Amino acid sequence: EAGVTQSPTHLIKTRGQQATLRCSPISGHTSVYWYQQALGLGLQFLLWYDEGEERNRGNFPPRFSGRQFPNYSSELNVNALELEDSALYLCASSLGQGYNEKLFFGSGTQLSVL
Amino acid sequence: GESVGLHLPTLSVQEGDNSIINCAYSNSASDYFIWYKQESGKGPQFIIDIRSNMDKRQGQRVTVLLNKTVKHLSLQIAATQPGDSAVYFCAEISAWGKLIFGQGTELSVKP
Repeated sequence: EAGVTQSPTHLIKTRGQQATLRCSPISGHTSVYWYQQALGLGLQFLLWYDEGEERNRGNFPPRFSGRQFPNYSSELNVNALELEDSALYLCASSLGQGYNEKLFFGSGTQLSVL
Repeated sequence: GESVGLHLPTLSVQEGDNSIINCAYSNSASDYFIWYKQESGKGPQFIIDIRSNMDKRQGQRVTVLLNKTVKHLSLQIAATQPGDSAVYFCAEISAWGKLIFGQGTELSVKP
């Protein structure tokens, strides 16, 4: 069974550009989560999608946005990139049957903003 | 605010010894905790979880202990192996869908 897959693996952008990151959840999972992991730091919660709707959002500016598609895959968009947006962006999925669920993570997209 | 913190940022142990990684949490209402392992270049991997109605849970070579009185969580790894070298995160779910991670403890296993 395939795990959570993310693309691209690495992404290099310059300040002011836009970045689009993609995530495919484990088959049968309806919830998708996005986390930002800056170098040497923990994971900061960004967004949670379930059944195509945004369920919760972390303390990030509006230029961080996303969506979930009918097939439950998800996209994270970061507009007007800033240097401090450089980080590993991790996607996770879960069954979406309620809270207190295990999250399964992909390997992440390493975003570098120059 | 909510936070999950770790007592030690790094831990170095000898191969074959037992490892103990500690974690403190601040939200007494949290009722579900997870330990994740993150190897270099990979996403976090689920190790073990525990719910607040339990004090202890055992897996294969790992044990998680939960002390709700002092809001403390620990992960014990028996007979630590070089493959256990990684960063370990504890995480709590304190609000619907919001998994809060600590900064992480880097475990280094010396052969």
